[in-house]
Amino acid sequence: QSVLTQPPSVSGAPGQRVTISCTGGSSNIGAGYDVHWYQQFPGTAPKLLIYGNKNRPSGVPDRISGSRSGTSASLAITGLQAEDEADYYCQSFDSSLSASVFGGGTKLTVL
Amino acid sequence: EVQLVESGGGLVQPGGSLRLSCTISGFTFDTYAMSWLRQAPGKGLEWVALISDDGGVTYFADSVKGRFAISRDNSENTLFLQMNYLRAEDTAIYYCAKLGNTYCDSPGCANFDFWGQGTRVTVSS
Repeated sequence: QSVLTQPPSVSGAPGQRVTISCTGGSSNIGAGYDVHWYQQFPGTAPKLLIYGNKNRPSGVPDRISGSRSGTSASLAITGLQAEDEADYYCQSFDSSLSASVFGGGTKLTVL
Repeated sequence: EVQLVESGGGLVQPGGSLRLSCTISGFTFDTYAMSWLRQAPGKGLEWVALISDDGGVTYFADSVKGRFAISRDNSENTLFLQMNYLRAEDTAIYYCAKLGNTYCDSPGCANFDFWGQGTRVTVSS
C-alpha cells in the first residue's frame, strides 16, 4: 500500500479536462514537502511532468498543471489528447520513513 | 543531450549479488546527486537509494538498507548499485535518475528530471 494515494484510473474524452488526485498525510504533503508528477508510457522510463508542485520543465505544454493544498495535490490536464493516455505518478518525501515516496499510479484512458 | 545508460542487470539466484552501472553524458556529473529507483513487474515506482554529488552521503529505502550500496566514480561519470542478499521481491526494472537541481543532495528535496532506460533484474531459482 502506497504512502501517497492515487485513483487507479481516470478517463476523459478528447478535449475534456481531467484531474488526478494525490492524497498524503501530515508526514509528507501536509508537512509542506513538494509534490512532483511523472508520466510513463508502457515499456518506457518515467518522464518528469511537474516539479515543485506547479512548475513545468521545458517542453511540457501549459495545458498540464499541478497544485497542492493541505495534505493533497492534483495534476490537471486540459484539452485532453490521445497522446496523453499513460500512467501518472505523484512523488514527495515522507519524514516518518525518511524516504522519497510515490503514489500507486493512475492510468489515464482517453475515450 | 542528457543520457543515462544502465547495464548489469540479469538473472540471479536468491541470496546472490549483482552490480548495476549507469554511465552518464550531457551534464556535469559531479554537480548533481543521483538516485536509483525500481519498478516491479506490473507495479508502481519505488525509490531505492540516493548519493550526494561527491559521494560522501548516501540514503536508502528501508527495503534495501543493509543489503544494497550506492557509489559513484566522478572521474568516469558512472553511478553504481551493488545489490547483495537478493530476494525475489527485488525483481524489477532498475532505473538510474538525475536529481533535478544542483542544490539538492537528499531525498527531502529530490525530484528526478532525467532517467535511464532501465535494466531488468530477475531474482529466481
